[in-house]
Amino acid sequence: NAGVTQTPKFQVLKTGQSMTLQCAQDMNHEYMSWYRQDPGMGLRLIHYSVGAGITDQGEVPNGYNVSRSTTEDFPLRLLSAAPSQTSVYFCASSSHRGRVGETQYFGPGTRLLVL
Amino acid sequence: AQTVTQSQPEMSVQEAETVTLSCTYDTSESDYYLFWYKQPPSRQMILVIRQEAYKQQNATENRFSVNFQKAAKSFSLKISDSQLGDAAMYFCAFLPSNTGKLIFGQGTTLQVKP
Repeated sequence: NAGVTQTPKFQVLKTGQSMTLQCAQDMNHEYMSWYRQDPGMGLRLIHYSVGAGITDQGEVPNGYNVSRSTTEDFPLRLLSAAPSQTSVYFCASSSHRGRVGETQYFGPGTRLLVL
Repeated sequence: AQTVTQSQPEMSVQEAETVTLSCTYDTSESDYYLFWYKQPPSRQMILVIRQEAYKQQNATENRFSVNFQKAAKSFSLKISDSQLGDAAMYFCAFLPSNTGKLIFGQGTTLQVKP
């Protein structure tokens, strides 16, 4: 198993550009989520999904869109990049196995710089 | 709102010694889960240990153990026989039982001195 994979590893954008951060998992996990990590603030939840076709907002959703058309993939879209979105982005997944509380497994992260 | 607080931005320990990282959380929930994640310079988030709130017994994983005080809403991590590879940022995280929304503390950077 590859686990949770993320692409790209690093990206530089200009203000106003759009892009999609890719996330995929091969563990057949129902739950997937996106976090951003900023210095001194830990990780904050952006969006999450409890299954294909179902998404919901986390703590800091503004400026980001998500969709979940398959169990494996959960892309994060930046519609119009802003310098405030410079951060490290992590995707995570977990299997509920009928209940929440299962461990979330994280991808390696995508470092995004918006100029 | 649920919050997680790690009051020690940085900690230092001598190799082979023991160190304790502190974490407190605020919630009105009675059923939840607590985690410690390790983030080395590679940035990969690695699960260290997991505690279920309904279990009174403290979780242990080899050299890592927790002191879970539910009434005090405290969840500290003890690392015994510290090794150079333990140097990393450590995050405490809280997961309510009815959602998958993991809430993180600010992190503690652990330095291990040879």
